[in-house]
Amino acid sequence: QVQLQQWGAGLLKPSETLSLTCAVYGGSFTGHYWCWIRQPPGKGLEWIGEIHHSGDAKYNPSLKSRVTISVDTSKNEFSLMLNSVTVADTAVYYCASFLWGLGFDYWGRGDLVTVSS
Amino acid sequence: DVVMTQTPLSLSVTLGQPASISCKSSRSLRHSDGKTCLYWYLQKPGQSPQLLIYQVSNRFSGVPDRFSGSGSGTDFTLKISRVEADDVGIYYCMQSVQFPYNFGQGTKLEI
Repeated sequence: QVQLQQWGAGLLKPSETLSLTCAVYGGSFTGHYWCWIRQPPGKGLEWIGEIHHSGDAKYNPSLKSRVTISVDTSKNEFSLMLNSVTVADTAVYYCASFLWGLGFDYWGRGDLVTVSS
Repeated sequence: DVVMTQTPLSLSVTLGQPASISCKSSRSLRHSDGKTCLYWYLQKPGQSPQLLIYQVSNRFSGVPDRFSGSGSGTDFTLKISRVEADDVGIYYCMQSVQFPYNFGQGTKLEI
């Protein structure tokens, strides 16, 4: 069974860069796609993007100009960077694993990132 | 983008009674490989979302059989045969037939 442990800075000022990392324990690192999803307070879920162990990444066009997802296969970790954050980027950020045909089968606990001046 | 529309947005159900949530997509969710890319998730209060149903009607490991999914093309339904207290939360449908993956707005189920 896959377990996802995520961490990163929780308080940012506008224009700073959000950085989160998710470590994968158990399961096959090469079999899944590794994703980031966010949820603004009291709102729904937004897919940010995904990356394969090969490094192939896909992003939500709404964030594509500001987001980078990277992978470190030597550590079974993947990371999210979102630059030039604004108050609108305040959200709980989840890492999750995605398997084609199964969906997002495992989720991290979520980290609240607050952007405030 | 594929738009996912859920109804109702909130649902109040008596314990032991059935519940039903509808999800409609703006295009067919049937992929060229034959799979229909529609999933259901439940986000319990204060928790991360959890996978309930994949490919329209398949229950994920450990999901009780009172949960069932049905539908095809653009119209899908999640049914709970007898609601229990542990079923409280927000239910989301999601599509992965096309990037960006999108979720419905969510349906809040209360007892």
